[in-house]
Parts: sequence; structure tokens; C-alpha cells
Amino acid sequence: QSVLTQPPSVSGAPGQRVTISCTGTSSNIGTTYDVHWYQQLPGSAPKLLIYGNTNRPSGVPDRFSASKSGTSASLAITGLRVEDEADYFCQCFDISLTASVFGTGTKVTVL
Amino acid sequence: EVQLVQSGAEVKKPGESLTISCKASGYHFGTYWIGWVRQLPGKGLEWVGITNPSDSDTRYSPSFQGQVTISADRSSNTAFMQWDFLQASDTAMYYCARLPYLRDFFDYWGQGTLVTVSS
Repeated sequence: QSVLTQPPSVSGAPGQRVTISCTGTSSNIGTTYDVHWYQQLPGSAPKLLIYGNTNRPSGVPDRFSASKSGTSASLAITGLRVEDEADYFCQCFDISLTASVFGTGTKVTVL
Repeated sequence: EVQLVQSGAEVKKPGESLTISCKASGYHFGTYWIGWVRQLPGKGLEWVGITNPSDSDTRYSPSFQGQVTISADRSSNTAFMQWDFLQASDTAMYYCARLPYLRDFFDYWGQGTLVTVSS
């Protein structure tokens, strides 16, 4: 069971902006631990999308951005493209569990 | 180039044991923690645990503590996840992934190993 809650799905037309929320608690996102985001294309392994709350690994387009505030974090995709259709997961360390946890996951659909 | 290559799909019966592997290349294996993530069919990602190949320090999620054993062998640059007694509920895709030095996220992932447990 995940302690980080994401909306099951979000959708948008090509070119639009969508955001995905990741809601946690004072035991995880509300601490000084960073939030990270992963993209999982259909039938593929997850891929690191954002690390350290806001940082993009080399090769990730700047259409992807993220932020963290209080006990929540969010991922934004601007200029939505068909190839962005995927599942997206947040991740953070939980001090109560002394283990990392993933979010419930959000499926992005491009209309 | 960093690569994590996992062993092939497995079909097992309940009660059997199993070890799956993850062979690393392209970096110094002993320097980076390596971990495992479970994905049940059609479901999200679950953090199983991580191990430090240099000293065998291993951390587990409470949900998986006592259910699996994670280890690593520096001589073969390979990480392992082991079950002593499989259950049908262990049917899932399992990914290995590397953690960057002193960080808590996964920067490189294996291709996944599908484990099916069925009588």
C-alpha cells in the first residue's frame, strides 16, 4: 500500500499543459527528503524523469518540470505530446517506514 | 554505458524457491547501492529493498522484510533477489535499479524479470 497519493489519470490535448499531484504526509514529502519522478512507457521499465524535487537528468526535455511544497509535490508536462502517454510515479523516503515509497501512479492520456 | 541485465522470466509452483539476478556493467559495482522494485500485474511500483555491494548492508521495506532476501556478489557484479517459499501473490514483474552515490532515487533500471507462480 502506497502512502503517496496520485490521481489515477489525467488527460489533455496535444500541446496542452497537464499537472500530476503527489500528496504525502509529514513523514515523507513533508520532511527534508527529496521527491523524485519516473515515467513508465507501456511495456517498458520505469525511467528517471525528475530527481531532487526539480532536476532533470540529461536527455529529459524541459517540457517536464516539478516542484515540492509542504507535504505535496507536482509534476507538470507542457506542450503535451503523444509520446508522453505513460504512467508516472512519484517517490520519496518515509521516515516512519525507514524505506522509500512510490506514489500510486498516474496514467497520462493524450486526447 | 551503465547497463543492468536481468535474468529471464520464471514460472514456478507455490512453495518452490527462486533466485533472480541482475548483472551490472559500465560502472564500479561496489560504489553504488542497488535495489529491487516490484510491480504487480496492472498495478503500481513498490520499493522492495536495497543493498550495498561493498559491505552487504541491506535495507528492506517493512512490507517485504522476511519475505525476500536481497544480496549482491562483487566478484560477478551481480545482484540477487531470493524467495525460499513462493506464493501465488508473488506473481509480478521485478525490476532491479541502481542508486547514484549517496542518493535515494534510481537512475538506471534493468529490463525486468517476470515471475509467475501458479499451481
